Amino acid sequence: AQKITQTQPGMFVQEKEAVTLDCTYDTSDQSYGLFWYKQPSSGEMIFLIYQGSYDEQNATEGRYSLNFQKARKSANLVISASQLGDSAMYFCAMREGERDDKIIFGKGTRLHILP
Amino acid sequence: EAQVTQNPRYLITVTGKKLTVTCSQNMNHEYMSWYRQDPGLGLRQIYYSMNVEVTDKGDVPEGYKVSRKEKRNFPLILESPSPNQTSLYFCASSLSAGSNYGYTFGSGTRLTVV
Repeated sequence: AQKITQTQPGMFVQEKEAVTLDCTYDTSDQSYGLFWYKQPSSGEMIFLIYQGSYDEQNATEGRYSLNFQKARKSANLVISASQLGDSAMYFCAMREGERDDKIIFGKGTRLHILP
Repeated sequence: EAQVTQNPRYLITVTGKKLTVTCSQNMNHEYMSWYRQDPGLGLRQIYYSMNVEVTDKGDVPEGYKVSRKEKRNFPLILESPSPNQTSLYFCASSLSAGSNYGYTFGSGTRLTVV
């Protein structure tokens, strides 16, 4: 079974609209961390946002927020007021436990922002 | 500038010819990892290292070797590359276990094995 599931292979969104990228995860650990990364066409991986399993509030970083629903094992990324530069591949990722540093990635969602 | 440096950025090689992709970080990070990225499969972890002389297999370690003799360096070695190892490879590092910042990634190495 996949540990990280991103059900949207691709999305097209009008500029300035809000975008929600879906991510569900599977773990039996109580302590885990969830990440989102952005990969533009240039190829580099850019860290966007982090949510710890014990964090009570949803993480926010500028226009990015993480809609964390622990009971549903869901960690959706919300981008407010989308911009053309948001066009990229987005990966959801999870680290289980706290001791080691094994991070598992989903297969990604390619986001296209339309002018 | 804090960064993870991979070399080379692009490499075309022939089947069976040993190669090494270097990775170096200047942030004094304890943890380093190698991933490969393939279309439709996302990023899959090859090996990771929690500290000097400590390495562990990730999800797809077959055909790869690593070493961590110094904290800053974590080379990826392909002893006998095969065409199914054609991929985009990323080296990444992080400060410590449980870090809120995840990984800092290198710029990637696009490897083609013919």
